Amino acid sequence: KAGVTQTPRYLIKTRGQQVTLSCSPISGHRSVSWYQQTPGQGLQFLFEYFSETQRNKGNFPGRFSGRQFSNSRSEMNVSTLELGDSALYLCASSFVGGIYEQYFGPGTRLTVT
Amino acid sequence: GIQVEQSPPDLILQEGANSTLRCNFSDSVNNLQWFHQNPWGQLINLFYIPSGTKQNGRLSATTVATERYSLLYISSSQTTDSGVYFCAVDITGNQFYFGTGTSLTVIP
Repeated sequence: KAGVTQTPRYLIKTRGQQVTLSCSPISGHRSVSWYQQTPGQGLQFLFEYFSETQRNKGNFPGRFSGRQFSNSRSEMNVSTLELGDSALYLCASSFVGGIYEQYFGPGTRLTVT
Repeated sequence: GIQVEQSPPDLILQEGANSTLRCNFSDSVNNLQWFHQNPWGQLINLFYIPSGTKQNGRLSATTVATERYSLLYISSSQTTDSGVYFCAVDITGNQFYFGTGTSLTVIP
């Protein structure tokens, strides 16, 4: 099976712009979670989607949003980018219905200048 | 939220040495995973271990859920074991909390 894929892998944006990141889960996995990793805050949970519904959300401002499509692919969007949004954004997928083991993609490294 | 503490924060080993990494968590958990993050940022699954003991080659892990801790053992370490090791726990069924990691450097 192919693993979790994320696009793009690297991105440079300017303050005030918006960005959309994409995540394709492992085939058959219907839950997709997003995490932000920074040197100062470590790995922090953003949100989780299952069957196109957001089931859980971390403590991030409303500028961070996401969605999930009927094929389980997910996107996250960050509007009005700030310098502090520079981070590695990781997506994870899991099969719902038994063991909730998460598998991570390679991440998107976002730099805001 | 739940607190996840990992120790030690940094570890330097000679190739061939053994090590034990610890993860303490502050609440009962549904799930627990250990990951290895490589230099490119990829999180690689090591163990899914909410309780009990598992072994995979030179790596093994033990979780004592009643005492709220998990241990990751690395034997006969190799330079390719270098990287950051994370423990992540889940209490709700769909949200993992990560520890701050243990940075391991294995020198030849």
